[in-house]
Amino acid sequence: KQEVTQIPAALSVPEGENLVLNCSFTDSAIYNLQWFRQDPGKGLTSLLLIQSSQREQTSGRLNASLDKSSGRSTLYIAASQPGDSATYLCATTYNNNDMRFGAGTRLTVKP
Amino acid sequence: GAGVSQSPRYKVAKRGQDVALRCDPISGHVSLFWYQQALGQGPEFLTYFQNEAQLDKSGLPSDRFFAERPEGSVSTLKIQRTQQEDSAVYLCASSPYLGDSYEQYFGPGTRLTVT
Repeated sequence: KQEVTQIPAALSVPEGENLVLNCSFTDSAIYNLQWFRQDPGKGLTSLLLIQSSQREQTSGRLNASLDKSSGRSTLYIAASQPGDSATYLCATTYNNNDMRFGAGTRLTVKP
Repeated sequence: GAGVSQSPRYKVAKRGQDVALRCDPISGHVSLFWYQQALGQGPEFLTYFQNEAQLDKSGLPSDRFFAERPEGSVSTLKIQRTQQEDSAVYLCASSPYLGDSYEQYFGPGTRLTVT
């Protein structure tokens, strides 16, 4: 069974810092990997989707990398802002109908 | 445009009651997914529809859980004889494409509390 692990579980940084969130997965035979943002009481917002053939995706201040062979992905957030405070989830799509999520990293950016 | 909507947003049920949770996907989306998210955890897959066909229900935790999408658009997740361990947020997602190799769009979820 595919397992997805996210480290750290929680992170608190001052505004303006660059930060890295980590995601690891046990089965490298994935179709894609997605990073989501979840605000309290809200659903998930997709941030970046990396197909298995890609190594990274960028959107604004966000950059996500994928290393299938080592079973790792990182989400890099540049120049963090208080509005970035949320829980960040990574998810792998393993077979055609199965998306596996990590437990998330709860990020707090202090002004 | 309108995103995925779910109703009710909050539901409190007494143990043993039946509940029905509704999902309105984005119009025209072929695929629809249900997930269960326990407090402090990531969502876990429950079931998947392609149009009106339920192609995978391997994640449903027991036979008390039942999902349907009779006309290929709106979907209902029904939980019979609710138990305390059913308390969670139930998320619905839809995708314009077949399977989940493409981006899924999530609704806000229904928070179910079983007392």
